[in-house]
Amino acid sequence: ILNVEQSPQSLHVQEGDSTNFTCSFPSSNFYALHWYRWETAKSPEALFVMTLNGDEKKKGRISATLNTKEGYSYLYIKGSQPEDSATYLCAFGEAAGNKLTFGGGTRVLVKP
Amino acid sequence: NAGVTQTPKFQVLKTGQSMTLQCAQDMNHEYMSWYRQDPGMGLRLIHYSVGAGITDQGEVPNGYNVSRSTTEDFPLRLLSAAPSQTSVYFCASSYRTGTGVGNTIYFGEGSWLTVV
Repeated sequence: ILNVEQSPQSLHVQEGDSTNFTCSFPSSNFYALHWYRWETAKSPEALFVMTLNGDEKKKGRISATLNTKEGYSYLYIKGSQPEDSATYLCAFGEAAGNKLTFGGGTRVLVKP
Repeated sequence: NAGVTQTPKFQVLKTGQSMTLQCAQDMNHEYMSWYRQDPGMGLRLIHYSVGAGITDQGEVPNGYNVSRSTTEDFPLRLLSAAPSQTSVYFCASSYRTGTGVGNTIYFGEGSWLTVV
């Protein structure tokens, strides 16, 4: 079983503040790193799929970076809004594999 | 666009009962999978399929069966429900190229299952 860890497990952010959190994954046999946003009672929604070391992706106020050599990815939320409140999941995909291994998620609560 | 459709959304089962969670996708995706989500544990892969007629086990397959007779459908069967199977179940699909894990996954809305 692969070790994919997200930290922190939860965080509270004041509206307007920026925040970031981490996904750690194995640095060997890397193929892809996914980020999903999940609101309770809804489907997890894809944010990014990243495959190249040093990759940076951006979607509105949310961005992500990837370091495959050291096995981590950061997700950043700039100027947090209440609608950013959700659980953010990362998932690691191995080379030559057909399975994604998910981390436990970071639950973000943005307070007005 | 329907995307990935799961039914039922909510179900209460008694210990020992069997049931099938239905999953269908209309995107012609080759890759389909079932996950369960438990508090603090993220999504854990139960079974997956890389195409019609092909299935394989994930991380937590015990107590579950799957089949893939068509590209569109991927039902999950609970053989004899146990309280440990109380969870939220997600069906997912993606367009498979190469390994498959480089492609965006599309999820259904989840099925909340309680076993009493």
